[in-house]
Amino acid sequence: EAGVAQSPRYKIIEKRQSVAFWCNPISGHATLYWYQQILGQGPKLLIQFQNNGVVDDSQLPKDRFSAERLKGVDSTLKIQPAKLEDSAVYLCASSLVGGQQETQYFGPGTRLLVL
Amino acid sequence: AQKVTQAQTEISVVEKEDVTLDCVYETRDTTYYLFWYKQPPSGELVFLIRRNSFDEQNEISGRYSWNFQKSTSSFNFTITASQVVDSAVYFCALSEVPSGTYKYIFGTGTRLKVLA
Repeated sequence: EAGVAQSPRYKIIEKRQSVAFWCNPISGHATLYWYQQILGQGPKLLIQFQNNGVVDDSQLPKDRFSAERLKGVDSTLKIQPAKLEDSAVYLCASSLVGGQQETQYFGPGTRLLVL
Repeated sequence: AQKVTQAQTEISVVEKEDVTLDCVYETRDTTYYLFWYKQPPSGELVFLIRRNSFDEQNEISGRYSWNFQKSTSSFNFTITASQVVDSAVYFCALSEVPSGTYKYIFGTGTRLKVLA
């Protein structure tokens, strides 16, 4: 079974530029998560989708971050304009239906460096 | 407040030594789940174990074992006879329902270095 796919793996941009990350969850998983992991910290949830609907985006900086999951499968996370403090690893995860007991399966992440 | 604390920032051991990674959590929920993940240098978080709040049995899987104690709100992870391949950052996470949605709260991680 294929795992969670993410691209690109690495991205370097200058501040005020825009960037987009792509995620393809495990086949059949209804719930998709985007996390931000700053160096030396644990992952922090940015947004959670259930199929193509947003379940939780309380920690998403909506003035610059946006995410969509139009067909309930793959998802895109965008930052516009990027700031220096956005330098981090962006992890995508998926789970079957999003229950409390469920295990989330993570992709390899996208390492973003904002100069 | 819901919180996960991994007080050990970094641990170095020599191969074949045993090592225990500590995890202390805080939650007001009576039903919750605890997880351990491994993050090797490649960056992907690899699932290791899940434990629910009603099951305090310790678990062993090969060289890995977990000790869950509700009385001290701890869920510690022990690697027996460590190997170089165990070198990674290990995260403990708590699954709770703060506002109707299930969310993982991660600790800050413990970096384990196993020296040959």
